[in-house]
Order: sequence, then structure tokens, then C-alpha cells
Amino acid sequence: DGGITQSPKYLFRKEGQNVTLSCEQNLNHDAMYWYRQDPGQGLRLIYYSQIVNDFQKGDIAEGYSVSREKKESFPLTVTSAQKNPTAFYLCATTSPGENEQFFGPGTRLTVL
Amino acid sequence: QQPVQSPQAVILREGEDAVINCSSSKALYSVHWYRQKHGEAPIFLMILLKGGEQKGHDKISASFNEKKQQSSLYLTASQLSYSGTYFCGTGTSGTYKYIFGTGTRLKVLA
Repeated sequence: DGGITQSPKYLFRKEGQNVTLSCEQNLNHDAMYWYRQDPGQGLRLIYYSQIVNDFQKGDIAEGYSVSREKKESFPLTVTSAQKNPTAFYLCATTSPGENEQFFGPGTRLTVL
Repeated sequence: QQPVQSPQAVILREGEDAVINCSSSKALYSVHWYRQKHGEAPIFLMILLKGGEQKGHDKISASFNEKKQQSSLYLTASQLSYSGTYFCGTGTSGTYKYIFGTGTRLKVLA
């Protein structure tokens, strides 16, 4: 079964702690993305990666970091520098050619 | 530049029709439409690549104008299952950057 997995589904952290959100895919897609969604709002691009060992900042990269050491994995770290990290985080990949986005189920992060 | 969607929200009765628009100040490389249910990930609906293109399946269709600066999503004879937030999305020619429109919340009432 091909797909994208994100874990955990819900995550609680204390203010000031770094936290890493997992994203794994077995679709063999090259490009991967991280989006942030606040309640009632749209999706904002945090980081994207076209290929292993390469990634670019999106529109709201401050306070976040990523790595892309393997094609299948694109973890996102929410650092203590992110002022308001509580949000719904979505990982996505892009199919070759038509570029539509395939999403994982998301991780809802709450910082207490 | 983020595409702007209109209306921001719409409430319908079952069986009524709706149109959601996605506008950009620059020509879009392509346009994709998604629907997101509350608390879930967006689901891809359809893609339009060429100016003047129209496509659809069942009671949901979309168009892309000749200048590729506006796309519209048409929901015909709406069903309760159509409720959710609709987003247009677009890639960027020459890069893998992808952005979404501002979103339209649609609620269908029985």
C-alpha cells in the first residue's frame, strides 16, 4: 500500500522545547513538502525538498528546520524560536508530471 | 503571490449549485482543486493545465480561463458530502514550489 505516514497524530510539548514531526512516504516521489494550517485558515508552505540532501524555504520557514537524508523521509523540527507553534502540520508529496499534492494525515501540535 | 478565492464562505441547501473562484494577478502554471474536511488532510479533486480548459466528473467541474489567471469550480446539485473547505493550488514553472489559495468554506444544509 503506497502512501504517506505522519506520526504522531497528536503531540503535546512544553513551551521552549524543540519537537520533531515525522513524515515518511513509499510513493517513490522526489518532492516533499511541509505545510502549516491554523484553525479556519489556509495552508502555508514551510519548507520543500525536490531531491535528497536539498531543500528550500517556503513562505514561513522561520523557527523551523528540516532534513532530507533519504528519499522516503522528510522530518520537520519545530524549534523554540517558533513563536506560536500550535497548529496542524501537513506533509505532502508531488507526483511526477502533473504535480498534484498527496497529503499525509497530519500532526496536530499543541504547545502548552 | 497567493491566489485569492471567492467567496470566502457559502451556505447552500441540498440540491443547490455553487461556484468557487480562484484568481491570480499573474498567469498560473496550472491549477489544482482540493477539498478538505474538518480535521483531515486535503483531497485532490482535479487539475487544469491549459488556458480555456474545462473538465469535470459527476456533478463537480472546473474551468481555467484563456489567460490562465482565473479558475472556477462548479458544484452542481450539491450534496451534504460536499461540505468542507475548497482550495485551489498551483505550482511554479521551473521550481517545485507550490502554494494554495485562500480557501472557501462551503456548508451544505439538509
